[in-house]
Amino acid sequence: NAGVTQTPKFQVLKTGQSMTLQCAQDMNHNSMYWYRQDPGMGLRLIYYSASEGTTDKGEVPNGYNVSRLNKREFSLRLESAAPSQTSVYFCASSEALRGTYGYTFGSGTRLTVV
Amino acid sequence: AQSVTQLGSHVSVSEGALVLLRCNYSSSVPPYLFWYVQYPNQGLQLLLKYTTGATLVKGINGFEAEFKKSETSFHLTKPSAHMSDAAEYFCAVQDNFNKFYFGSGTKLNVKP
Repeated sequence: NAGVTQTPKFQVLKTGQSMTLQCAQDMNHNSMYWYRQDPGMGLRLIYYSASEGTTDKGEVPNGYNVSRLNKREFSLRLESAAPSQTSVYFCASSEALRGTYGYTFGSGTRLTVV
Repeated sequence: AQSVTQLGSHVSVSEGALVLLRCNYSSSVPPYLFWYVQYPNQGLQLLLKYTTGATLVKGINGFEAEFKKSETSFHLTKPSAHMSDAAEYFCAVQDNFNKFYFGSGTKLNVKP
């Protein structure tokens, strides 16, 4: 099925460990995004990529890095995980940055940092 | 920056009753407006959107929303709730600087 695929679905990290969350879309969308979802806070934008080769910070970028590997793939890296990064992470894509068609979301990665 | 306010983090209705989920945004310039639904352990799915044109927008699963510029509101309604509507609903705004802002969500519980 066409859509946004995120891996892994679940992950437990120890404080200070690093990991990369992977995201791929097969809809030929230009723009991709990483959000984190925390209870009572909705979704907050971490980083986004308007098009292949560009990335920009969102609302809560500290502690994260991203790579737009190609048009399909947009990865999120935690260099040194902290308990405050325990969250559900969603990748999304849209046809254009001005996403008048809305976003297509992946099913999320549940990350726990202990 | 925009802010999106969803009144009521939890709303409970009986099956067959009217669903009303409230959303207000802060901008004086009409943005693009969206409602998303999230079922447990899933990502967000687009319910409906307002970009331009008719202010009453119809979405999937019988939901609709009305954009009221004077009230800076975009409330979501459904005439008759179904058990399958139980989920969390998010209002979102896209401003003229191409940034998306999400509300904190409203969990809808449907009682039999």
